[in-house]
Amino acid sequence: DIQMTQSPSTLSAFVGDRVTITCRASQSISDWLAWYQQTPGKAPKLLIYRASFLENGVPSRFSGSGSGTEFTLTISSLQPDDFATYYCQQYNSYPYTFGPGTKVHIK
Amino acid sequence: GHLVESGGGLVQPGGSLRLSCAASGFTFNEYWMSWVRQAPGKGLEWVANINQDGSEKNLVDPLKGRFTISRDNDKKSLYLEMNSLRPEDTAVYFCARALWFGGFCDSWGPGALVTVSS
Repeated sequence: DIQMTQSPSTLSAFVGDRVTITCRASQSISDWLAWYQQTPGKAPKLLIYRASFLENGVPSRFSGSGSGTEFTLTISSLQPDDFATYYCQQYNSYPYTFGPGTKVHIK
Repeated sequence: GHLVESGGGLVQPGGSLRLSCAASGFTFNEYWMSWVRQAPGKGLEWVANINQDGSEKNLVDPLKGRFTISRDNDKKSLYLEMNSLRPEDTAVYFCARALWFGGFCDSWGPGALVTVSS
């Protein structure tokens, strides 16, 4: 199975900050990677697919990059609605696997 | 798309439960569908997916033999049959529409809580 790791596991930031979350795969997954946002008690929301493609309706302050084994999710200017947990997910090979999540707190 | 899970609840260890997911707002039989679960306070775990006509099913290895994914396109419904349930199966189970041959999920239900406890 492909193992996904994320760093940091938590981060504190101010509204307006630029935030970067890193996701690493235990083997190459090309660009078969998605990013999701989840707030407590809610279902995940798709942000990015195929590593860098922004889902319809997702604000342009979100962006994704990377290929192979290393990927990043960047929020260019953190907004109050962005305080949430972010997960990466590989869909290169079964079983599909998620990263452990990065929780973004208000500083 | 709109998805709503049902069938969750409290079940004793060793028991069975069938989750259902009702779909609306999109052409159900044109999409792969998935189940993803989340144990209390934990991260997301991909469980299974199924293709448009149900001829291809994929399930995470540890659940093979206990869980079965299926669908009824006439009823626009997705199912997860869960047998021999264990306390570690306690989780919120999300139904989701999946794109790119079932790879990633663009529309999710609110989830159904399954609690396995005596």
